[in-house]
Amino acid sequence: EADIYQTPRYLVIGTGKKITLECSQTMGHDKMYWYQQDPGMELHLIHYSYGVNSTEKGDLSSESTVSRIRTEHFPLTLESARPSHTSQYLCASGRGQGKETQYFGPGTRLLVL
Amino acid sequence: GDSVTQMEGPVTLSEEAFLTINCTYTATGYPSLFWYVQYPGEGLQLLLKATKADDKGSNKGFEATYRKETTSFHLEKGSVQVSDSAVYFCALREANAGKSTFGDGTTLTVKP
Repeated sequence: EADIYQTPRYLVIGTGKKITLECSQTMGHDKMYWYQQDPGMELHLIHYSYGVNSTEKGDLSSESTVSRIRTEHFPLTLESARPSHTSQYLCASGRGQGKETQYFGPGTRLLVL
Repeated sequence: GDSVTQMEGPVTLSEEAFLTINCTYTATGYPSLFWYVQYPGEGLQLLLKATKADDKGSNKGFEATYRKETTSFHLEKGSVQVSDSAVYFCALREANAGKSTFGDGTTLTVKP
């Protein structure tokens, strides 16, 4: 059973607010990822990390930022939320050795009004 | 670059029907192949995987065989249930890649 958690599960917020989506895993995985997924659409990678103090941007340009100060924690921050940020955000982790499986969190559904 | 092409959906079947969702890929190396499932309102879950040619992944009655000669990883189930209704994603991951490559997803609806 994979232990990867995301909070909040659902968030409704007004335009211009700063938000942080939390993601944590207790498996000691080196690699962590953030994906964005709109309803009925494919996943898009927006950020990933190979380990502590390592962050990279993914395929889809995003106005969000991430940090990796601790192995188990990979928060995503939007400094000023806009309606175009409304989406589902999925966090994942993997051990990072060769062709590993990614384990996904339950996701955060964000609605910006 | 790597890519994954999935059968377009949505797919609607009656209960106990046979399911096939096609998936083909292009990759520069020898990737691992995965099928993920997303049930309504939930995050992605790994359904099955195969790490080398001719491997067969299986779980919950679903199967997929890694076919290097046809670069395919088609998902099959002999008898679907209403509870199998979900979105299915085919994905690949190269050995030294920083990320996985996903298909667009195929929505399956099973009717009683």
